[in-house]
Amino acid sequence: AQKVTQAQTEISVVEKEDVTLDCVYETRDTTYYLFWYKQPPSGELVFLIRRNSFDEQNEISGRYSWNFQKSTSSFNFTITASQVVDSAVYFCALSEISGGGADGLTFGKGTHLIIQP
Amino acid sequence: ETGVTQTPRHLVMGMTNKKSLKCEQHLGHNAMYWYKQSAKKPLELMFVYSLEERVENNSVPSRFSPECPNSSHLFLHLHTLQPEDSALYLCASSHSGIRAYNEKLFFGSGTQLSVL
Repeated sequence: AQKVTQAQTEISVVEKEDVTLDCVYETRDTTYYLFWYKQPPSGELVFLIRRNSFDEQNEISGRYSWNFQKSTSSFNFTITASQVVDSAVYFCALSEISGGGADGLTFGKGTHLIIQP
Repeated sequence: ETGVTQTPRHLVMGMTNKKSLKCEQHLGHNAMYWYKQSAKKPLELMFVYSLEERVENNSVPSRFSPECPNSSHLFLHLHTLQPEDSALYLCASSHSGIRAYNEKLFFGSGTQLSVL
């Protein structure tokens, strides 16, 4: 079974619309970290946010916001008033303490977000 | 200068060739990683290096051979590859060593590899 599931393969919206990218994870650890990365067409993954399992406060950074809910094992990402520059593939990832970091991040398959002008 | 630099950006090779991918990080980090990104699959960790140790994904075929001569440079040596090895190969680095599970990674732009 996948540890990180991003059910939305591709999302297309018109500029200025709000869009939410879903991420559901699975772990038996009580201590873990969740991440979101953005991969623009240039290829490099860019870190967006890191959240530890003990901090369920929602986070807002400009037009970006994240909703972490342990009860549903979800860590969803919302872009408000989307812009064409937001077009990219977005990855959710999990790092478990039981892996000691040596297993690296477990990534979801990514959601390709297309913002149309 | 970007933090993590990968060369070449694109590589086309035949199945009998030997080639190497290069990665260099200018961030003073202590751990470096190779990831493989194939279409419609999650990113797959191939190898992790830090000064103390190397960790590898046991599912990676022996036709991929990593080398880390120092903390700033990482290579991936390729030989007798198969067409299914065509993918984007991403290098990354992190500040702490391998066992720091809460580290954020800094990625290069990748090498797009095509095996004919």
